This record gives sequence, C-alpha cells and structure tokens, in this order.
Amino acid sequence: DAGVTQSPTHLIKTRGQHVTLRCSPISGHKSVSWYQQVLGQGPQFIFQYYEKEERGRGNFPDRFSARQFPNYSSELNVNALLLGDSALYLCASSLLWGPEETQYFGPGTRLLVL
Amino acid sequence: SQQGEEDPQALSIQEGENATMNCSYKTSINNLQWYRQNSGRGLVHLILIRSNEREKHSGRLRVTLDTSKKSSSLLITASRAADTASYFCALSGNTPLVFGKGTRLSVIA
Repeated sequence: DAGVTQSPTHLIKTRGQHVTLRCSPISGHKSVSWYQQVLGQGPQFIFQYYEKEERGRGNFPDRFSARQFPNYSSELNVNALLLGDSALYLCASSLLWGPEETQYFGPGTRLLVL
Repeated sequence: SQQGEEDPQALSIQEGENATMNCSYKTSINNLQWYRQNSGRGLVHLILIRSNEREKHSGRLRVTLDTSKKSSSLLITASRAADTASYFCALSGNTPLVFGKGTRLSVIA
C-alpha cells in the first residue's frame, strides 16, 4: 500500500512569490495535518483537516492557508513568501481525528526561498 | 509551553551499546509519542504511550513515562548503525502533536 505522498519533493521560489504544496493521504485516512520543520528544529504544526473541515490551526500568519478535497487529499498554500519560509513541509495523515491517532508522515517538500 | 524538550541534544555511541533519550514537558497530556527522522526526511512513528501507562516495549525499544515528573525516556537496546537518526518526542493533548527539538543519535560501527 502506498504511504503518504507529497509533491513536489523540492521547490525553489523567490521572495514575494506564491507556492502550493500537495499531499495525498494513505488510502482510507480522513485526516491530514501539515507541519513546518526549519533546519535543526522539530516540526511545527500548521493545520489539521478532518472530513474536509479545518480542525486546528497553529501559530502561523494568514499567508498560510490550506484545504482538503473530497478525496481527502490536501493543499497547503503560502502567499508572499519570505526567506524564513524556507523549510521542510511535512504532511501527515491519520485514519480519524483525535489525540490517540497515529500520524503517518510523508517524505516532505523542501522549499527554498531566495 | 507545551513543547517537549529532549535531552541530550546529541548522542554518539558505539554499535551494540544502548542509547537513552529523555523528554521533559510542562503540561498535562493524553499520550506521548516518539518518532524517528532520517536525514531530514519524513518522520516514522515508533511508539505511543498513554498517560495511564508507565512502560511500553516494541522490539528493541523501551519507553517509560512518569507523569508525576512529567518526563519520558526512550531506550534503544543493542544499537545498530541503521539507528542513526534524529528522535523526537511529541505531546498529544487537546491540540495536535507538539514536537520537541529532537535528539540526534549517531551509532558508530
């Protein structure tokens, strides 16, 4: 069975541009979460979606937005990119929503903002 | 802050030795999870221990949880070179997972 997939794997953008990152969860999983991991730090929670509804939002500016589609795949959008947005963006899926759910992570999208 | 803090930040051991990593936190939790990350790739879930559990085993992994001290430890026995990775504890409460900064483990063959 395929795990969580993310695209693209790598991306280079310049300041002020917009970026869209994509995630496909494990088949049957209904919850998707997004994390940002800056070099040398642990992942920081950005968004969580369950059944196409936002269930949680981390401490990130409004430049960050996301959505979940009827097939449970998800997009993370970042507008007006800043140098500090350079990071590994991780998507994770879980079967359901809740603190007992194990999250399965994708390989990430590495974003570099110049 | 709800973030867990791993200790040590880095650990280097010889193959075959045991590795112990610790995680301390400040708030109440539903459960605590440990993840492994190889070379900046995706995280792999290792083990989940609930707040009413004290110890859990999975293969060469042993996790303990002391809610009175708000701390957890991850023990990897008989380490292998393939165990070289960063290890993160993640707190699960009323919010999505909150990760610490991790422990970088190097196992030298």
